[in-house]
Amino acid sequence: RKEVEQDPGPFNVPEGATVAFNCTYSNSASQSFFWYRQDCRKEPKLLMSVYSSGNEDGRFTAQLNRASQYISLLIRDSKLSDSATYLCVVNLGNQFYFGTGTSLTVIP
Amino acid sequence: DVKVTQSSRYLVKRTGEKVFLECVQDMDHENMFWYRQDPGLGLRLIYFSYDVKMKEKGDIPEGYSVSREKKERFSLILESASTNQTSMYLCASITGGDTQYFGPGTRLTVL
Repeated sequence: RKEVEQDPGPFNVPEGATVAFNCTYSNSASQSFFWYRQDCRKEPKLLMSVYSSGNEDGRFTAQLNRASQYISLLIRDSKLSDSATYLCVVNLGNQFYFGTGTSLTVIP
Repeated sequence: DVKVTQSSRYLVKRTGEKVFLECVQDMDHENMFWYRQDPGLGLRLIYFSYDVKMKEKGDIPEGYSVSREKKERFSLILESASTNQTSMYLCASITGGDTQYFGPGTRLTVL
C-alpha cells in the first residue's frame, strides 16, 4: 500500500474556477504535511505546509484531517499560472513520502 | 535564498558505466536526500544522510550508493548503470522546519 495517494487527474478548469485536490496517507503516525508545486521539467517547490487548524495563503487554502487521514488543497479564482502538478507530501520520521501528483491545467 | 545545485542537468551514459551525480547545498543543512522521479510513480527516496559520513537507505537503494564526505556535498553513485536507471534524479536538503529545497534535477539516460 502506498504511503500517500493522490488522484493524478488531469484537472482541466477554466480561469476563475475553484478547484480542490485531496490526498490520503496511510500512516497515522505521520508528523507533518505539505503541498509542493512542480512545473513541467522543473524541481518541486514548497507551496505551503498544512496544519490541523487549516491555513490560507491568498487564493490557496490547505486543510488537514487527522481522523480521516487526508489533506486537501483548495485553489480559488484559478489563474493560468496555476497550471502545474501539485504534490502531496507527508513526513514520517526521517523520511518524506510523496504522492504521484495531481496535474492541473487552467484554460483561458 | 537556499541554493541546491546538481552537477549536470542532462547526462547520457552507457550500460555498465559508473555514474556520479553530485549535489551541493550552501545553507549548512544537515539532512540531504536523493530521489528519483518517474512518470506514474512520483518521487521515490533512494538514500538520505543526516550528517557527514552518515547514510540511510530509502525505499529503492538497490544499484545505488552514496557518499557524504563534507556537509555541503552529497553524491549519488550508480556502480554499474542499467537502462532501468534512466530517470530524473532530484537532490534535496532540508531545514529544521522540514521544508525541503530541491536542486534542478539531473535527467539521466542510460543507453
